[in-house]
Amino acid sequence: AQKITQTQPGMFVQEKEAVTLDCTYDTSDPSYGLFWYKQPSSGEMIFLIYQGSYDQQNATEGRYSLNFQKARKSANLVISASQLGDSAMYFCAMREAYQGAQKLVFGQGTRLTINP
Amino acid sequence: DSGVTQTPKHLITATGQRVTLRCSPRSGDLSVYWYQQSLDQGLQFLIQYYNGEERAKGNILERFSAQQFPDLHSELNLSSLELGDSALYFCASSDNRGGTRREKLFFGSGTQLSVL
Repeated sequence: AQKITQTQPGMFVQEKEAVTLDCTYDTSDPSYGLFWYKQPSSGEMIFLIYQGSYDQQNATEGRYSLNFQKARKSANLVISASQLGDSAMYFCAMREAYQGAQKLVFGQGTRLTINP
Repeated sequence: DSGVTQTPKHLITATGQRVTLRCSPRSGDLSVYWYQQSLDQGLQFLIQYYNGEERAKGNILERFSAQQFPDLHSELNLSSLELGDSALYFCASSDNRGGTRREKLFFGSGTQLSVL
């Protein structure tokens, strides 16, 4: 079963607009972590933001915020005031228990294009 | 710059050959993870090492092997290469052995492997 679902293969947004990238997840573990990574065309994976399942507040990191709705099992990434440099692939990921440790499971990604 | 160094950046080889990918983790990080990114499979966890010991094994083929050396750098060895092994191979590091959900992974820029 798909653990992380990103339903938007691609999104096109006008510069300076806010954008929301969707992510839903599936787990029966009450304790988990959710992450967003950015992959620009150069290929590297850049950590953006983290949300823990027990965190009371939604996570924020500069222009990035995470809209965490635990009951709906969604962890949408919100980018405020988008910039041309935000054009990239964005991956939602969840840490899940695995072989006594944890592993990071990724969604298929959303390609975000910011238009000038 | 994540602080994780991967070499080489690009590798072109033929079917049946053997290659070695190298990763130097961030200074002080004891855990090294290997991931494979392909168009059809997305980002797949291969294997994790912590302080020289194998910690968790994911979807790693028997033709592939890895190790982490006393200086904490890691190598991923891919042998009897097939066309389907063409992918972007990422190394990531963290200072945690993989036991907490808050552990952030910092990724290198990846090695793009092309098997012809």
